Amino acid sequence: NAGVTQTPKFRVLKTGQSMTLLCAQDMNHEYMYWYRQDPGMGLRLIHYSVGEGTTAKGEVPDGYNVSRLKKQNFLLGLESAAPSQTSVYFCASSYFDSYNEQFFGPGTRLTVL
Amino acid sequence: RKEVEQDPGPFNVPEGATVAFNCTYSNSASQSFFWYRQDCRKEPKLLMSVYSSGNEDGRFTAQLNRASQYISLLIRDSKLSDSATYLCVVNGATQWNNNDMRFGAGTRLTVKP
Repeated sequence: NAGVTQTPKFRVLKTGQSMTLLCAQDMNHEYMYWYRQDPGMGLRLIHYSVGEGTTAKGEVPDGYNVSRLKKQNFLLGLESAAPSQTSVYFCASSYFDSYNEQFFGPGTRLTVL
Repeated sequence: RKEVEQDPGPFNVPEGATVAFNCTYSNSASQSFFWYRQDCRKEPKLLMSVYSSGNEDGRFTAQLNRASQYISLLIRDSKLSDSATYLCVVNGATQWNNNDMRFGAGTRLTVKP
């Protein structure tokens, strides 16, 4: 099993450009999450999904959109990137809810110039 | 006040030492608690869950004090391989959302020969 994979691993964008980060999991998990991690701060939840076709806002959702069209995939979109979105983005999945262990992908390092 | 607070460290200890980390959380309704480990430039991985009665896994012991709203992690007989950042994670309930995990900024540990 590959676990949780993220594409791409690195990306540099210019302000105003758009992009989509892809997360895939092969563990048949219901729940999936997108976090960002900034220096000196803990991981902060952007959006999450409790099942195929569902999404919900987390702590810091502004500037991001998500979609979960297939159970195994969770996409994070930046419509108009800003320098404040420079961060490391982690995707995670869990079998059920937040009482269960979350399995993280390797992260995507995004720089917005 | 941050929702989950940790001493950022760094803690620099010799091999074989015992080291303890504390974490405080603000939401008295939180129901689940975890310690994750994150190696440099890697994704977080679950170290252990924290149960009300306290729990031990080899050299690691986790304690929960609901009255004072803090969690602790004790590492005995430190190994070089224990060098990492330790993340305190608390799930929200009512105040945040029970799918909303809140991460501390982490405590960095370096174990030296």
